[in-house]
Amino acid sequence: GDSVTQTEGQVTVSESKSLIINCTYSATSIAYPNLFWYVRYPGEGLQLLLKVITAGQKGSSRGFEATYNKETTSFHLQKASVQESDSAVYYCALSDLGGSNAKLTFGKGTKLSVKS
Amino acid sequence: DPKIIQKPKYLVAVTGSEKILICEQYLGHNAMYWYRQSAKKPLEFMFSYSYQKLMDNQTASSRFQPQSSKKNHLDLQITALKPDDSATYFCASSQVREGAETLYFGSGTRLTVL
Repeated sequence: GDSVTQTEGQVTVSESKSLIINCTYSATSIAYPNLFWYVRYPGEGLQLLLKVITAGQKGSSRGFEATYNKETTSFHLQKASVQESDSAVYYCALSDLGGSNAKLTFGKGTKLSVKS
Repeated sequence: DPKIIQKPKYLVAVTGSEKILICEQYLGHNAMYWYRQSAKKPLEFMFSYSYQKLMDNQTASSRFQPQSSKKNHLDLQITALKPDDSATYFCASSQVREGAETLYFGSGTRLTVL
């Protein structure tokens, strides 16, 4: 079946430093799945951070970027300068249904702590 | 204001009992879903409903029964609870459109089965 592997556990970054959270995927039923990053802030539900549905394209939102790399089957999340308000759990996900992005396969999540 | 309300936030149950997790969405969406995240595992898709009809069920056990009394409600009844059912259960919704919908999630119900 499909799977998503992302940087495990917790990542601690100092404020204003750069961030990368790795994500690689394996999709067995479709060559080019849709790829997503979701974020969960403390006490809230998951919310979409960015998505890319075309291989080779880059998505960006709130200073975060991720590029859909079909050669390396990766979708790493990057930010040049993190802020304390970025502290949250980040989830990489894919969907492999042609007509729906609702049935997502998620990674385990990466907890980002930004220290001042 | 939260647009997807899940109740309760925390729930403790004893093995063998039955519980209902409540979910209401006020986004006007036509599809609702349940996902589950157990400790040290990824979020897993459980069910999808569209226009109050079951579209997809990835839960092997019949102990998990979604209930949709209104189009903006999708409750989850769990019977004969087991410790392995301990997890955070997330409700989500979307407006179904070809290849374009975004999921909106509630903040989850954390269930602990003793």
